[in-house]
Parts: sequence; C-alpha cells; structure tokens
Amino acid sequence: QKEVEQNSGPLSVPEGAIASLNCTYSDRGSQSFFWYRQYSGKSPELIMSIYSNGDKEDGRFTAQLNKASQYVSLLIRDSQPSDSATYLCAVGSQGGSEKLVFGKGTKLTVNP
Amino acid sequence: SAVISQKPSRDICQRGTSLTIQCQVDSQVTMMFWYRQQPGQSLTLIATANQGSEATYESGFVIDKFPISRPNLTFSTLTVSNMSPEDSSIYLCSVGPSVTGNTIYFGEGSWLTVV
Repeated sequence: QKEVEQNSGPLSVPEGAIASLNCTYSDRGSQSFFWYRQYSGKSPELIMSIYSNGDKEDGRFTAQLNKASQYVSLLIRDSQPSDSATYLCAVGSQGGSEKLVFGKGTKLTVNP
Repeated sequence: SAVISQKPSRDICQRGTSLTIQCQVDSQVTMMFWYRQQPGQSLTLIATANQGSEATYESGFVIDKFPISRPNLTFSTLTVSNMSPEDSSIYLCSVGPSVTGNTIYFGEGSWLTVV
C-alpha cells in the first residue's frame, strides 16, 4: 500500500513568516512529487512540482526533495493571509505514471 | 496548462438515483483520471479513463458503481450509480502529461450531496 503522510496541522504562522510543510512517502521508486493548494470549496491547484533531489524555487515557494529519506517539503516565504489553505502533497507512481497518491493535507493559517 | 471543464459543478441527488458527471478538456489527452474527495479527506483515485479501452479501476472501486466512458481524446464521463449518502463527495477530473508536460491538473470539481 503506497502511502503519503503529512502532518494534518493546523499549522499557524504570522504574516511574513516562513511556513514549512512536510511530507513523507512509502514508495521508494516514486519519481514525481507535487504540492497542491486547495482553498475551501475549491479544487486543488498545482503550485510546485519536483522530480530530482535538491531544492526548486518558484517565487515565494521552495520545494525540497530528498529521495534517500523519502521526504519532500514545501517552504513558503513571506507568508500572506492569502496563503491560508490546505496543502496537499502528491506522489507519482513508480515509472512516472500519472496516477498520484495524495496525502491528507496540512491546513495552513497565516495570521495578519 | 489544460483547461478542464466539469458539469455539473454542484448537485443535490436523491438516494438511489444515478448521476453522470461530464469532463471536457480543451485539447487532446491520452489519459484522464477521476478522483473522489470525501468531506474532510484527501483525494482518492477512482479510475483511469483510457480512450479506446476499458477504464482501469483502483482497489475499492468497481465498474458497476462508477461506470466511465471515454468516447474521444477530449471528453469523459463518470456515473455515480445507485447513490447513497456515503457518495456525497467532490468528484474531480484530471489530465496528465500529454498536454501539460509531466504534471497533473484538475477540473473545478463536481460537488455532490446525496440526501
């Protein structure tokens, strides 16, 4: 059973702080890793993808992947109240299949 | 990214009835996926809809309950059959790499409440 684990939170940070979201996965052969943001009442929105070890930066977002530790994280710098949402970690099946296994999500609240 | 449209966006359904959800993509894609998100839960893959072949269902999901059609490369439907309150969920259509590179995008979702 392939599993993706996330701290369900809620995670609360003050505006301007760095929010750190973590995710571990069980399938060592996983090839692709994604972070989705889901606002209440909306469908998930892709914000970051990462495929190789190391860091990937996009604006205020940085995804970090460590395949040896089976760990992926998302850092949000200069957090804004508009970042308040549930963040879903998703892992692509071995071989680069498009099928994704999702974690249960971490609810982030950024306080003004 | 692909533009994915789903209909209906919301519906309230009677127990025992069936509802068909439509998913339309603005370009041709090889694979389309149907996910379910129950209240307060994460997303679970129901099945992969392949054009020209039978859908592939994940463990715990069966064709009799969730029949899927994929008549062409831009369209798919998911039917939720003989609904019960436990079927109250968001149903999400998604597409993969043929259009979007190596990432998965979602439609707006269909929010079903079974009463």
